[in-house]
Amino acid sequence: EVQLLESGGGLVQPGGSLRLSCAASGFTFSSYAMSWVRQAPGKGLEWVSAIRNSGSNTYDADSVKGRFTISRDNSKSTLYLQMDSLRAEDTAVYYCAKCQSGTSCYGGLDYWGQGILVTVSS
Amino acid sequence: QTVVTQEPSFSVSPGGTVTLTCGLSSGSVSTGYYPSWYQQTPGQAPRTVIYSTNTRSSGVPDRFSGSILGNKAALTITGAQADDESDYYCVLYMGSGISVFGGGTKLTVL
Repeated sequence: EVQLLESGGGLVQPGGSLRLSCAASGFTFSSYAMSWVRQAPGKGLEWVSAIRNSGSNTYDADSVKGRFTISRDNSKSTLYLQMDSLRAEDTAVYYCAKCQSGTSCYGGLDYWGQGILVTVSS
Repeated sequence: QTVVTQEPSFSVSPGGTVTLTCGLSSGSVSTGYYPSWYQQTPGQAPRTVIYSTNTRSSGVPDRFSGSILGNKAALTITGAQADDESDYYCVLYMGSGISVFGGGTKLTVL
């Protein structure tokens, strides 16, 4: 059974940093691209970042480019999202998701974590 | 900037058929955008319904189907049930590793 478990969320002040982790199990982690998706309170889903199976390529939405960094450790089957220079508008539930393919998420997402809340507020 | 468009809301009667669409603010959606669809109920994580235009995700009932209709991607629910009442989001792959979500459609079954 595929499982994705996010951790590392919480309350952070504007301008601060936070690192999210996503522990994956039930599939060969190193074979698939992975992604982060977020959802602000009462709003729709927003694609944030994706990373190739090898970690050699990363892709970011314009809204987080230069502030967020996606990475992975295939030896630990874990996905990360380093979030710097956080803003109030980054407040959201962040979901870790598995991509259908290995190179990018062109085929869509097939499994999702339960999500973790990040609140940016003073 | 290209926007992915969805109907804000839709209503269907129990047992009825509904088609939700996913378009582009500029241009047509084709299979090359690999449209996918996700279902979300309040307080829950999204669930994948359809990927790569028309492939049902594991465990999804066959009353859900995906297609390209005209210049849009479409999600059709045939024989809608009460527990299909959810928000539905489409995603289009824009190339170069970038994906974009639509704004979502709130589906009511009544």
